[in-house]
Order: sequence, then C-alpha cells, then structure tokens
Amino acid sequence: GQQLNQSPQSMFIQEGEDVSMNCTSSSIFNTWLWYKQDPGEGPVLLIALYKAGELTSNGRLTAQFGITRKDSFLNISASIPSDVGIYFCAADNYGQNFVFGPGTRLSVLP
Amino acid sequence: GAVVSQHPSRVICKSGTSVKIECRSLDFQATTMFWYRQFPKQSLMLMATSNEGSKATYEQGVEKDKFLINHASLTLSTLTVTSAHPEDSSFYICSASRQIAGGEQYFGPGTRLTVT
Repeated sequence: GQQLNQSPQSMFIQEGEDVSMNCTSSSIFNTWLWYKQDPGEGPVLLIALYKAGELTSNGRLTAQFGITRKDSFLNISASIPSDVGIYFCAADNYGQNFVFGPGTRLSVLP
Repeated sequence: GAVVSQHPSRVICKSGTSVKIECRSLDFQATTMFWYRQFPKQSLMLMATSNEGSKATYEQGVEKDKFLINHASLTLSTLTVTSAHPEDSSFYICSASRQIAGGEQYFGPGTRLTVT
C-alpha cells in the first residue's frame, strides 16, 4: 500500500536552533498535513496543505507542499523546549487513502 | 474550533469483559470518524472508518466482530472492544473529519486501555 517516509527518524537539537524535517512518498497526494503528538495525547494538527507548491506558516512553523505532490517539509524556527514531541506527516487523496508517516521524534536540549 | 473529545481517558478491565470508548466532535458535525490504535513508539494504525448512519469500513486484519463501531450521530462514534484480552491493551485514538471527501482529521486525546 501507499507509505510515507519521514526523515530524520529522530533529532536532538539545542534550544534556539532551527529544525527541518521532511516527508516523502512514491505516490502522489492532493493533501499534506503535519501533526504534533505529545506523550499520552492525541495528535494536534499544525498545518494543512492543499496545493502543490503551497508554502504555509503557523507561527514559528513553516511547511511546504512539494511541486511533485510526492513530498512535504516542515521547518521550525528558533526551537523552544515545548517543541519536544513526535511530528507526524500525513497525506490524503480525497478521503480514499489517508496515511500517516512513522514520525520524527524531536528532542530539544536546553 | 474542531475539538474532539474521548471518554474515558484511561480504562482498566479484566480479560473477557467489554469496554466502550466514546468519541465526540464538540463544535462541528463530523461526517466521517476514524478509529486508530497506537503501540508505544509507533505511528498510528487505522482500524476503521465510519460515516454517520452507515456501517464502518474496517482495515485489513481488524476483526469487525471484536471491535464494534457505531456512528449514531454526526457528533458521536463509539468503539466497543468485546471480550478483551491483554493483547488488546493499547492507546486508542479517534479522529473526525468535516468532509466526506478527505482533508483534515482532528484527533481526540486518546484512551489508554489496559486489559488484565
């Protein structure tokens, strides 16, 4: 079936650093989504992207929908301790193939 | 907007008993609701998709007689784990979408089920 790959799998950064992670697929999707999950909680939607090439920001977060429609990236600027968590990408084709990536685990060192 | 609640947040039950988990969309009508299962340090695994008033669609390998899903209204879906076994212990998360044709899913806070 369709799968998403996320990289890196995990990352340790210093507080204040910028973070970049991406999500790729061998299949085309028409919607890309980024979620953050804290331990013991459900995922929270960060950014939704609906158009190839679209670049969207939400505070310190910026995400882009790749031109090929097979990838997306998420950047976090000036990381803070509360950015710690697991970041999942997800992709969808009109409700037919909603898939989650394996996640990128982010740790922020003070 | 787009708040989804789950109840209970944690439940412990004995083997052989059944457990019901509720998922509610609090401030929007959810045309479609989803149930996921998540094991420690793993991604979410979709169990089933349900539209209000119709039977749920289960993913391959998910026993529909064991995991009963009812989507009685546009704001409520329930998952009942029947004849629970210790291997059913997991983190169950529901999500809701406003649109039948895909798009954003809004997740509940999850339910931690422990079967002893």
